Parts: sequence; C-alpha cells; structure tokens
Amino acid sequence: DQQVKQNSPSLSVQEGRISILNCDYTNSMFDYFLWYKKYPAEGPTFLISISSIKDKNEDGRFTVFLNKSAKHLSLHIVPSQPGDSAVYFCAAGVSGNTPLVFGKGTRLSVIA
Amino acid sequence: DTAVSQTPKYLVTQMGNDKSIKCEQNLGHDTMYWYKQDSKKFLKIMFSYNNKELIINETVPNRFSPKSPDKAHLNLHINSLELGDSAVYFCASSQLAGQETQYFGPGTRLLVL
Repeated sequence: DQQVKQNSPSLSVQEGRISILNCDYTNSMFDYFLWYKKYPAEGPTFLISISSIKDKNEDGRFTVFLNKSAKHLSLHIVPSQPGDSAVYFCAAGVSGNTPLVFGKGTRLSVIA
Repeated sequence: DTAVSQTPKYLVTQMGNDKSIKCEQNLGHDTMYWYKQDSKKFLKIMFSYNNKELIINETVPNRFSPKSPDKAHLNLHINSLELGDSAVYFCASSQLAGQETQYFGPGTRLLVL
C-alpha cells in the first residue's frame, strides 16, 4: 500500500535547465510534505517542506508546489547543477506523533 | 561535526546471530527514529522514541528491540538475524515528534548471509 508514490525512478537533465520531480499521494489526511536529498553512502538530508495550507514554498533554487485537489506535489530545481545529482525522496506526514511516509525516490542526474 | 552518527557503517553477519547498531545525536533533539530501507528502496519507519519513551512501534518483528539509555542515544538490537533483515538501517532525530524536520545518520548497511 504505497501512500506516497514517485513514479519516475530516474530523471536526466542538462545543467542549467529545470529539473521537475513529481510525487503523488493517496492519504488526504497528510498535512505536511517534505523533500529529502540523498547522496550515495549518506543519509537523506532535508531539502524543503510545505504545509497543506500553502500551495508553494520557495528556497533559493528549490521550489515545491502542492496541488491538494490532485494529491500531487512537485519539486522544481532551477537552474540545475551537477551537484544536484542525487536521489530525491518525497515524504508526507500527518501532524502529531505519526510517522513520515516516504516514496521510493527519484534519481536525478544533472549532465554538464 | 557529525550531527547524527551510527556505528557500525557496515555489518556482515551470519543468520541466527544477534547484533546491535548504535546511534547517537548531538543536536539536543528529543525524538529519535529508526528506519529501514529495503531492497525496493522504500524508507520505512520502525520505531520512534521521545525522551527515552517509545511513541511509535510499527509492525516490526519482536526480534528487533530498540533501547534508549538517554535521549541522545537510540540503539537497535536484532536477535536471530534472518536473510530478510538485510537492508540499510537509518537512524534519525528531530526536535519534537510530529511535524518536524528529521536529521538522518549515514546509515548502517546490514548483510545477513
């Protein structure tokens, strides 16, 4: 039962272009969403989050968009840089002592 | 400075053995977690402790027992290891439970032969 789905296992983008990573969820109770970035042999590191009361959150080159009616969120990276090459995990949660639910991740490769 | 550290980084062992993985965080956080990333790459919560008390215990075999001697440490002990326990185990911490950013350790790669 995948409550958080990242349907693209991988994505290749040219340096300088926009990277768009997508995430779908099924549980309408989720009220906050996060993106984590993971390099090989390291733990995931927090990138950006968004609460369900917003539809957009921006932090530098990273912007997360939330479409609650479609139960869809996306992470935009612009401009993409080679150092952005990593696996990106989408995660969702319900406020309170409930666990985060993670997607399977999307491997982003930014080609110089 | 390492915020969340785990030891060992790699662990190769035989079926039936008992092993422990240690986790320490120096962030002053109150909540710590154990996650398992299996071969399908899903990151799944196993346990969560808040101030040394268990608050989340997902459906995990009894062979897995977390121990929190203080709020900066959350160790994971696994009895009678099975082949299916092979995975990467991540420790994480957050200031509070719930809607808080979690900080992850580097992971422990466990291989059961």
